Amino acid sequence: ETGVTQTPRHLVMGMTNKKSLKCEQHLGHNAMYWYKQSAKKPLELMFVYSLEERVENNSVPSRFSPECPNSSHLFLHLHTLQPEDSALYLCASSQEPSTSGANVLTFGAGSRLTVL
Amino acid sequence: AQSVSQHNHHVILSEAASLELGCNYSYGGTVNLFWYVQYPGQHLQLLLKYFSGDPLVKGIKGFEAEFIKSKFSFNLRKPSVQWSDTAEYFCAVGYSGGGADGLTFGKGTHLIIQP
Repeated sequence: ETGVTQTPRHLVMGMTNKKSLKCEQHLGHNAMYWYKQSAKKPLELMFVYSLEERVENNSVPSRFSPECPNSSHLFLHLHTLQPEDSALYLCASSQEPSTSGANVLTFGAGSRLTVL
Repeated sequence: AQSVSQHNHHVILSEAASLELGCNYSYGGTVNLFWYVQYPGQHLQLLLKYFSGDPLVKGIKGFEAEFIKSKFSFNLRKPSVQWSDTAEYFCAVGYSGGGADGLTFGKGTHLIIQP
């Protein structure tokens, strides 16, 4: 256990479904992140919440919608996804605000998403 | 936009061989540099980091990396690899004061150590 817990670990959904990924950190960190990990591609930063405010969304399609109700919880709401959205979605947290550039990330185990 | 380049996507070595994985980053001012490792079936975890000071940094499990500012490089090394080093290795860069970009990661290098 890393102190960052993601659920569910595996999710299969159809293109018309609505689902959510959940992330919880028990480290008292100030920033939380969603990354997308696809084969043969760099980790793609999707969203950053630093001190509970969203600071970047990196032009992610609107079918992905983040929510950060407090500093310990982060959600990624999914709707009308495409098969190319199938990937491992990683949540991470850091003690430092994301703008410092010195943010050591602690990752969760990831949620493996398959879109049929 | 910042970018990180890892030169080798797949590396296969025998146990006890020496390892060097290349990493170059695009210029963006003051940088903080990281190597993360992902063992099979496990989460990404920090291997080592460089913020300032001695450009040769040592991490866990005998790994080290050298920051060469003039070459925009942060190569990872280990003098003698073990079978348990089989994993995916990611180089990452954080740019101080450059906005809210989190870390920029490379594509990763899949390292396989043959017994």
